[in-house]
Amino acid sequence: ETGVTQTPRHLVMGMTNKKSLKCEQHLGHNAMYWYKQSAKKPLELMFVYNFKEQTENNSVPSRFSPECPNSSHLFLHLHTLQPEDSALYLCASSQEGVPAQFFGPGTRLTVL
Amino acid sequence: KNEVEQSPQNLTAQEGEFITINCSYSVGISALHWLQQHPGGGIVSLFMLSSGKKKHGRLIATINIQEKHSSLHITASHPRDSAVYICAVLQGAQKLVFGQGTRLTINP
Repeated sequence: ETGVTQTPRHLVMGMTNKKSLKCEQHLGHNAMYWYKQSAKKPLELMFVYNFKEQTENNSVPSRFSPECPNSSHLFLHLHTLQPEDSALYLCASSQEGVPAQFFGPGTRLTVL
Repeated sequence: KNEVEQSPQNLTAQEGEFITINCSYSVGISALHWLQQHPGGGIVSLFMLSSGKKKHGRLIATINIQEKHSSLHITASHPRDSAVYICAVLQGAQKLVFGQGTRLTINP
């Protein structure tokens, strides 16, 4: 695998389910990001992790819970989501001091 | 009003036409990105620039820091250029703020 991978690519869940999104980067980067892209809206930053530490939480509701066990893996744990949380969730990574970010293919989430 | 505004929101053109997509921003930035998003969602970085002009193949990106404006040009457009083009400004070291995207369709 190369670059940034995300699993699953598609996810349908009910409002009472608990699920997790996974992101893995194979680029040796030390920063990872979660973004949300809702229909008809610009991409929004959700969380930033640097060296496994969360450095940015962009006022994200607590039903989204990120986890970064190491610099290569990033998870987004989901519970009691709402239909308006349906969106494309994109992961990205970068190297400290280098402004370029590399994006994964995204997970398209549908909440019923 | 968004901090990053793109125009047009939708653009349809014939193969071979010269394409221009504009981006204006209202905040201080350390760099500006042009990104390409194909159906299915994957995003590819086309350019990152903080001054002047960059060229890659048929793509050209310019930025005017004083005017807070950037343009992305595509010469000799082709149907495979059909995608959503997104302008994003970098605030500080890591925070990207995105425009709403321009949906480009190139007809053969």
